[in-house]
Amino acid sequence: AQSVTQLDSQVPVFEEAPVELRCNYSSSVSVYLFWYVQYPNQGLQLLLKYLSGSTLVESINGFEAEFNKSQTSFHLRKPSVHISDTAEYFCAVSPWRGGLIFGTGTRLQVFP
Amino acid sequence: SQTIHQWPATLVQPVGSPLSLECTVEGTSNPNLYWYRQAAGRGLQLLFYSVGIGQISSEVPQNLSASRPQDRQFILSSKKLLLSDSGFYLCAEQTTRETEAFFGQGTRLTVV
Repeated sequence: AQSVTQLDSQVPVFEEAPVELRCNYSSSVSVYLFWYVQYPNQGLQLLLKYLSGSTLVESINGFEAEFNKSQTSFHLRKPSVHISDTAEYFCAVSPWRGGLIFGTGTRLQVFP
Repeated sequence: SQTIHQWPATLVQPVGSPLSLECTVEGTSNPNLYWYRQAAGRGLQLLFYSVGIGQISSEVPQNLSASRPQDRQFILSSKKLLLSDSGFYLCAEQTTRETEAFFGQGTRLTVV
């Protein structure tokens, strides 16, 4: 069975500092990996995804994630965060039936 | 792109009352539809998915049911709500396991 673990429930960071949100997955088959972002009282929006090919994937707003098969990880990084990045971030895998299996989420709090 | 409509946005219901949450989809035909629940302090859990009219699969046993009366309509129901049914309910569409999932804005249900 597939599963996702996000070890950090909350990550506080100052504005313009770098950040890493950790995600580890478990799967016995090929995986499709996603990061979604949720702003307060809203639905989720796709941030980036890994399907195949280059192990480093980037989003349009400066986030990047690297697929590491040997460590079964898909950590999300940003070299310099903004106040507007404050949100909850979910890592997810897509099982064979479709839909998504989510981690428990990481709340990123950016302070001025 | 797809647009997912959910209503109501917020709902306060007494224990033992019935529930009906509606989700409609625009911008695609024969969508694969999903209901997720986000409980306080927890990640998103897949409740039901549907690949077509009248076709419902349940991921976890619970006090809820789902129906797909029309191609672009997905309904989440309960005959008698429990306190544990409180949470944030999200409807989503995802064409294939490789593609982006599109989410509605969610319904925050509080059972009192």
